[in-house]
Order: sequence, then structure tokens, then C-alpha cells
Amino acid sequence: DAGVIQSPRHEVTEMGQEVTLRCKPISGHNSLFWYRQTMMRGLELLIYFNNNVPIDDSGMPEDRFSAKMPNASFSTLKIQPSEPRDSAVYFCASSPDSNYGYTFGSGTRLTVV
Amino acid sequence: AQSVTQPDIHITVSEGASLELRCNYSYGATPYLFWYVQSPGQGLQLLLKYFSGDTLVQGIKGFEAEFKRSQSSFNLRKPSVHWSDAAEYFCAVLGSNYKLTFGKGTLLTVNP
Repeated sequence: DAGVIQSPRHEVTEMGQEVTLRCKPISGHNSLFWYRQTMMRGLELLIYFNNNVPIDDSGMPEDRFSAKMPNASFSTLKIQPSEPRDSAVYFCASSPDSNYGYTFGSGTRLTVV
Repeated sequence: AQSVTQPDIHITVSEGASLELRCNYSYGATPYLFWYVQSPGQGLQLLLKYFSGDTLVQGIKGFEAEFKRSQSSFNLRKPSVHWSDAAEYFCAVLGSNYKLTFGKGTLLTVNP
């Protein structure tokens, strides 16, 4: 089991550019979560998918953020346009059931300059 | 809404000493509780979880945690700390909306 796979590991982009973060959950896991980690706010849930359907996107900060899960093995988080305050580590996590605790990926460290 | 408080931002212990990291939660129903560890530049790894039953839960790497409903606490313990335990530790509670809410974390430094 390769675990939750995120790409890229690091991303540096200029303000105003579009950024796409990718996630491959563990096979068989039916729940997928995107989190953002910053020093100031800690770990924040951005969006939660269950069986590829977005269930709760109340944590998505602005319309500049969007997430998709076109199939059970792939999800993207897109920021367009990016801003310096979006700089953070973005984690993807998956779970076979929402009650069993999540398995986290290694994260994508995003820097917007 | 659920919440988690980790009162200690930073703890320093000597290698071989015992460790206790504090966690208090707020949740109206029976909580599902978790402890995760994060090494620098890494993702979060699940140490242990409590759903029901025995209030003393054993986890990986020699860690254990005790659920105390009367104190709304779920403290993490280890009898003898190793230098490799230096990391940041997060307590979390799962709410009815399937949202895993984390505390702000406790950074553990281990002195040789």
C-alpha cells in the first residue's frame, strides 16, 4: 500500500498564477479530505468528499479555491488566482470510513511570492 | 461545534524520562478521539484512537492515552521517551459532521 500520494511536494508560484494540487487516495477508501496547515491557524479542513461527492465545503476560504474528485482514485485542489496568503502546507487524507481516522499524505508545501 | 485544546505549546524532556501531553476536548456526544504525530516536513501519522470500550488505549511506538469523560481529557503518555520521539503531536476529535477537528499541537523536544 503506497499510502496517500500527493503531488507536487513543493510548489513555488507567483501571485496571480493558477495552482493545482493533486491527491491519490488509498484504494478502497471512500472518504477524502483536504486540509490546510499554517502557523497561525493550525490544521483547517477545507473540503470533504464521500464517494466522490463533495459533502462539506464550508472550509473553502474563497471562490478562488475549488476542488474536484472526478473518480475514486484522484482529487485536485485548485487555487486561481493564487495570493501570498495562500502559502501553507496542504494535506490530503483518506479514510475507509469517516469514523476510523484518516491517513494523511506527505503534503504539498505551497509558496506564493 | 467540537473543539480541542492542547494547553502546552512546547514541552522539553530528557531522553528516558516519562512524557504526558495534555488534551482537552469539547463535544456534546460520545467523542471519537485521536492522537497524531508529525515529524518535520512530513504528514501526520496516526498514533492511536479511542472510539469506545477500555478507556486506556495502546498505540504505536509505545504510546498510550487515557480517556477521562469526567475531565473531558485524552492525555497521551509514554513511560520512556526516545530522541526519535521529538516531533509535533496533535490531538483531534471527530464530530457528527465527520469533521476531524485538531488542536494547535504540542511541540516535543527531547534532550540527550
